[in-house]
Amino acid sequence: SQTIHQWPATLVQPVGSPLSLECTVEGTSNPNLYWYRQAAGRGLQLLFYSVGIGQISSEVPQNLSASRPQDRQFILSSKKLLLSDSGFYLCAWSVPHGDLLGANVLTFGAGSRLTVL
Amino acid sequence: AQSVAQPEDQVNVAEGNPLTVKCTYSVSGNPYLFWYVQYPNRGLQFLLKYITGDNLVKGSYGFEAEFNKSQTSFHLKKPSALVSDSALYFCAVRDMSRGATNKLIFGTGTLLAVQP
Repeated sequence: SQTIHQWPATLVQPVGSPLSLECTVEGTSNPNLYWYRQAAGRGLQLLFYSVGIGQISSEVPQNLSASRPQDRQFILSSKKLLLSDSGFYLCAWSVPHGDLLGANVLTFGAGSRLTVL
Repeated sequence: AQSVAQPEDQVNVAEGNPLTVKCTYSVSGNPYLFWYVQYPNRGLQFLLKYITGDNLVKGSYGFEAEFNKSQTSFHLKKPSALVSDSALYFCAVRDMSRGATNKLIFGTGTLLAVQP
C-alpha cells in the first residue's frame, strides 16, 4: 500500500533562517506531488506541484522554492524565512494524470506546522 | 473563472440529527467534484468524489453527496451525525483550465460541530 511521510511535524524558526521540509511517498511510481499551505487553520493554497523528477510548477510568487530530486521525494525550501511563511504545510500525492479513476484523489501527509518568530 | 464556494463557515448539529454541508461550484465543462475532511492538526482525508454517473455518491464514514447540475451544487450529507464527525470539511473541484494538470481548487472549508 502507498504511504506518505512528511517531516518535521513541528518547526519553530527565527526570521531569516533557512527552511527545509521533506516529503516522501512509498508504494507508487511517478506520482504527482503537491505542496499546499494552510494559513490561519482554514483555506488551502497550492504552492507547488510536480509531475516528474526535476519538474516543478509554482502557483504563486513567494519566498519558497520546491525541488524533486528523486521520483518520490519532494522538498520545500526557503533561504530566508519571513514571518508570513508561518503556517501548516501539507504535502500530497496523486496518481499520474491520465488515470481518470484515481485522478485528483489526493492523499495528504500529516502536515508540518511552521512557526516563524 | 473556476471556483468552489462553501457559504457556511460553521455548521452546528445535534448528534443523531441529519447534517448538510453546502458546496457550489463554477467550472467550464463537466465538473469533477470532491469532498475531503480534516481533523485537528492532521492532513486532509478523501471522503468521496463525483466524476460521472449517479448523482448520489456514497463515501466513507456514512457520508454521501448529491450532484445537482442545474443548481451547480454538491452538498455533503449524512443521515445521522456523530460527535466524531466534528471536523473541517473541504469541497474541491478539478481545475479544468488549460494545462492545469491534475490540480484541485479547494473551498475555504466548513467547520462541522456536532453537539452530544
